[in-house]
Amino acid sequence: QVQLVESGGGVVQPGRSLRLSCAASGFTFSGFAMYWVRQTPAKGLEWVARIAYDGSDKHYPDSVRGRFTISRDNSKNTLYLQMNTLRTEDTSVYYCAREGVGLGGWTVDYWGQGTLVTVSS
Amino acid sequence: QSVLTQSPSASGTPGQKVTISCSGSSSNIGTHTVNWYQQLPGTAPKLLIYTNNQRPSGVPDRFSGSKSGSSASLAISGLQSEDEADYYCAAWDASLIGPVFGGGTKLTVL
Repeated sequence: QVQLVESGGGVVQPGRSLRLSCAASGFTFSGFAMYWVRQTPAKGLEWVARIAYDGSDKHYPDSVRGRFTISRDNSKNTLYLQMNTLRTEDTSVYYCAREGVGLGGWTVDYWGQGTLVTVSS
Repeated sequence: QSVLTQSPSASGTPGQKVTISCSGSSSNIGTHTVNWYQQLPGTAPKLLIYTNNQRPSGVPDRFSGSKSGSSASLAISGLQSEDEADYYCAAWDASLIGPVFGGGTKLTVL
């Protein structure tokens, strides 16, 4: 079965960096585009990064562009999110998620359990 | 403020039918398919409906989705206590060049 397991969350001061990881199993990781999506009670769900199946194409919303970098190692079935210059508003639960294939339209079909990032002095 | 608009809450009694709505625009729901997610307390979102009205295997047929113009709806019939959760709609947005989500509807089973 598809499993996505995030790690690397924690408490970090504003302006510092943090790297999240997501270990994938139960499917051919190299065949799927992947996302990082974050969630807060106040702002709801927000995508923060997308990477193509082979890492050749990456996209970010304006809110994190230039500060966050998504990457993947298909040999290790692992997705990463490097977060630099963190702000208090980046405090969220961060989910790793898989983009579905062949479902007739854009879909994220599996989510990890999430990892909490708290940016606070 | 979420791009897709959902009522913050809904409720029903066991056995009832409840409908949750999601409103968007021509750049998202108007031209792209809609997905629905169920998030039980303390867990990650789970895909409930994809491509407007398709159910992944394992999702009961009590759950159904529909879309009309720039709006979409999730209907839950034969409401059960275990349906108490947050429900989110989502779609691709051509203007933002990324996915957008609704703010979520908290369903309470009375």
